[in-house]
Amino acid sequence: GAVVSQHPSRVICKSGTSVKIECRSLDFQATTMFWYRQFPKQSLMLMATSNEGSKATYEQGVEKDKFLINHASLTLSTLTVTSAHPEDSSFYICSATTRYEQYFGPGTRLTVT
Amino acid sequence: GESVGLHLPTLSVQEGDNSIINCAYSNSASDYFIWYKQESGKGPQFIIDIRSNMDKRQGQRVTVLLNKTVKHLSLQIAATQPGDSAVYFCAEAPFRGGSQGNLIFGKGTKLSVKP
Repeated sequence: GAVVSQHPSRVICKSGTSVKIECRSLDFQATTMFWYRQFPKQSLMLMATSNEGSKATYEQGVEKDKFLINHASLTLSTLTVTSAHPEDSSFYICSATTRYEQYFGPGTRLTVT
Repeated sequence: GESVGLHLPTLSVQEGDNSIINCAYSNSASDYFIWYKQESGKGPQFIIDIRSNMDKRQGQRVTVLLNKTVKHLSLQIAATQPGDSAVYFCAEAPFRGGSQGNLIFGKGTKLSVKP
């Protein structure tokens, strides 16, 4: 089956710094990639939709200047959390879609101290 | 104090019993429904899906039932095993794939299997 990877799997950073998370589709080209955030014991909340070569579409309430998304190719999307604060600590999950299926990455645990 | 939202509904079953996990979805226009399993610290894993033109679909040890009248979805797991312990989410989409229609996830149910 299709595989989506994320890097890093865990990251700890200091408040005020920026962190980049990569999402890769390993064996297929993704028409669209999605970024989700999941707080403990809660469901996945969509942050943004990313299409290769175009600007990401952000969900209401998600700051586009804080969560920078770059979709450089059909196999790579990156999420950069800028000027991170402790409240940004969360589990970030990406997914990549073909025309018919959506495949999820393993997630990245971000802890901001 | 703790928010109600921090408590996932929990279903506890004995190993070997059948499990039924329920989900109410919100959009009567949703065309495609999926069940995901999420183990601690991992991303969601696809279990089974169903289109709105069906009311039942079976997989290996799992069955999904869809009742469009009351906008209800259920996941039945036969002969539940300890490895089935996880959080289960239902998700709905306007149509299959979600690439032009985002997945909307339900709140999740934590399944605990007692050996």
